[in-house]
Amino acid sequence: TQLLEQSPQFLSIQEGENLTVYCNSSSVFSSLQWYRQEPGEGPVLLVTVVTGGEVKKLKRLTFQFGDARKDSSLHITAAQPGDTGLYLCAGERMEYGNKLVFGAGTILRVKS
Amino acid sequence: DVKVTQSSRYLVKRTGEKVFLECVQDMDHENMFWYRQDPGLGLRLIYFSYDVKMKEKGDIPEGYSVSREKKERFSLILESASTNQTSMYLCASSLLRPGANVLTFGAGSRLTVL
Repeated sequence: TQLLEQSPQFLSIQEGENLTVYCNSSSVFSSLQWYRQEPGEGPVLLVTVVTGGEVKKLKRLTFQFGDARKDSSLHITAAQPGDTGLYLCAGERMEYGNKLVFGAGTILRVKS
Repeated sequence: DVKVTQSSRYLVKRTGEKVFLECVQDMDHENMFWYRQDPGLGLRLIYFSYDVKMKEKGDIPEGYSVSREKKERFSLILESASTNQTSMYLCASSLLRPGANVLTFGAGSRLTVL
């Protein structure tokens, strides 16, 4: 059982569409991170959110941390083919020695 | 440009062989990690190290060992490779900063055990 549940597992959309990826848990996290991984590469950090209710924007990407710090979402506006990749959420918990726990990931494919 | 370098990108080994996966970071990070990545399972922590010669088991340490003789180098060892260890292996490093444990990953080592 994953401590962090990501949905959907796979998303295939047309260029210009909007999408949201969810990361949910029954546990509280001290911080939550989003990574993107492209084929043949390791994951690269997109953002870290640490405060309940926090919203961060990175160009067309909007990240939100739930008020209770148990969930997060990633919203992409007007998706482009360059957004294609695997999106991973990762949570940090003090009870886990501040190591990161990863979700299973969302594979996003944006078709032109 | 700061880096985590995994020397072997692709390896093919036979069942029972000993396998070494090497990882080097140039950021003077205290923490280093080995994860395996399998479709639908995300990243699972095998071992991590927060200092030279220190190591701790992660979630799935069985069948693996590690070595950290120098701060910049963290090696993953498969003493006797098995087919269920076929996977993508990712090395990562981070500063020792609870609450801001941001990982820098290498490009990965894809291991196939026949």
